[in-house]
Amino acid sequence: GEDVEQSLFLSVREGDSSVINCTYTDSSSTYLYWYKQEPGAGLQLLTYIFSNMDMKQDQRLTVLLNKKDKHLSLRIADTQTGDSAIYFCAETITSGTYKYIFGTGTRLKVLA
Amino acid sequence: NAGVMQNPRHLVRRRGQEARLRCSPMKGHSHVYWYRQLPEEGLKFMVYLQKENIIDESGMPKERFSAEFPKEGPSILRIQQVVRGDSAAYFCASSRGREETQYFGPGTRLLVL
Repeated sequence: GEDVEQSLFLSVREGDSSVINCTYTDSSSTYLYWYKQEPGAGLQLLTYIFSNMDMKQDQRLTVLLNKKDKHLSLRIADTQTGDSAIYFCAETITSGTYKYIFGTGTRLKVLA
Repeated sequence: NAGVMQNPRHLVRRRGQEARLRCSPMKGHSHVYWYRQLPEEGLKFMVYLQKENIIDESGMPKERFSAEFPKEGPSILRIQQVVRGDSAAYFCASSRGREETQYFGPGTRLLVL
């Protein structure tokens, strides 16, 4: 079935690193995405990784992909209070319609 | 370069009324997707449209819900005879091509009283 899992909550201190984890199900996913949602707002695309890569770095963000275990992680270095939000990972389903399957979201709280 | 536009941002309806949600994709994008986010949950795919065609509506309830993307104008998600369980945030996304990155609008938050 199509099920993307994330832990619900993460709390870190300002300046520390945050690691948000995600497990997905479709081994044929071509791209995997991370989106950020602030309260009452839409989804902001943070970064994505192509399935033939195992790591991608973009400024404070590092994405790690373990295809064998179908595990994706997002590391935020030097976490700031403005990073407090809900983070969603999404896998792409390519059989039939190309669509995204989202995880339930991880609520990141950054303590000053 | 305007992003994906949705309106209204907030919509309040009484049970039994109709809700019409609009989505204007990004310039140059002809693929539109609708997702629903129930409180405290992730987004669930509802329907995928290209201009004048519904490509996949497998995530949309069979009754009361319909979607269109006419040749001219925005995509419309229509919910007839709303019930309290329809209360959710409805997000539209657009992409340039079928397997390209989807960009999301700010969402319409529907509250059914």
